[in-house]
Amino acid sequence: DAGVTQSPTHLIKTRGQHVTLRCSPISGHKSVSWYQQVLGQGPQFIFQYYEKEERGRGNFPDRFSARQFPNYSSELNVNALLLGDSALYLCASSLAFFGSYSTDTQYFGPGTRLTVL
Amino acid sequence: DAKTTQPPSMDCAEGRAANLPCNHSTISGNEYVYWYRQIHSQGPQYIIHGLKNNETNEMASLIITEDRKSSTLILPHATLRDTAVYYCIVRTNAGNMLTFGGGTRLMVKP
Repeated sequence: DAGVTQSPTHLIKTRGQHVTLRCSPISGHKSVSWYQQVLGQGPQFIFQYYEKEERGRGNFPDRFSARQFPNYSSELNVNALLLGDSALYLCASSLAFFGSYSTDTQYFGPGTRLTVL
Repeated sequence: DAKTTQPPSMDCAEGRAANLPCNHSTISGNEYVYWYRQIHSQGPQYIIHGLKNNETNEMASLIITEDRKSSTLILPHATLRDTAVYYCIVRTNAGNMLTFGGGTRLMVKP
């Protein structure tokens, strides 16, 4: 079975531009979470989506938004890019709403490396 | 979620057991200990998690002390491919995110 997939692998944008990153969860998984990992740090939680609704948000500005589609895939959108948005963006999927029961686990994709110039 | 403390780096000889410690002295009764690892520039890989009993799977063993204030991840026969940053994370059973700290950079040497 395929794991979590993300596209594109790498992306270069300039300041002020907009970017859309895509994620497909593991088959059968209904929850998708997004994390940002700046170089040298651990991943930081951005959003969780479950059943197409936002079910949690980290400390990120409104320039960051996301949505989940009926097939449970997800998009992360970032507007008005800043140099500080350069990072590895990670998508993680879980079977149900991550937080609904103790034995659930999040599985991460390979990430999208975003460089903002 | 309780904070965790891990050594920033460790070395291990190939073929030997790698024992990675984690301190979580403020852990609550309903908080689970998770371990992930991240090989350079890849997404984090789930390893194992547990509440209070020791756990073992095909990748590793998780030993949690009786007072649950610390735990140890054991890779029984480390290989060069186990070189990675290992993250110990504490999460409540209702927590909807994973909070990553700095992790331990494990270097497996020939």
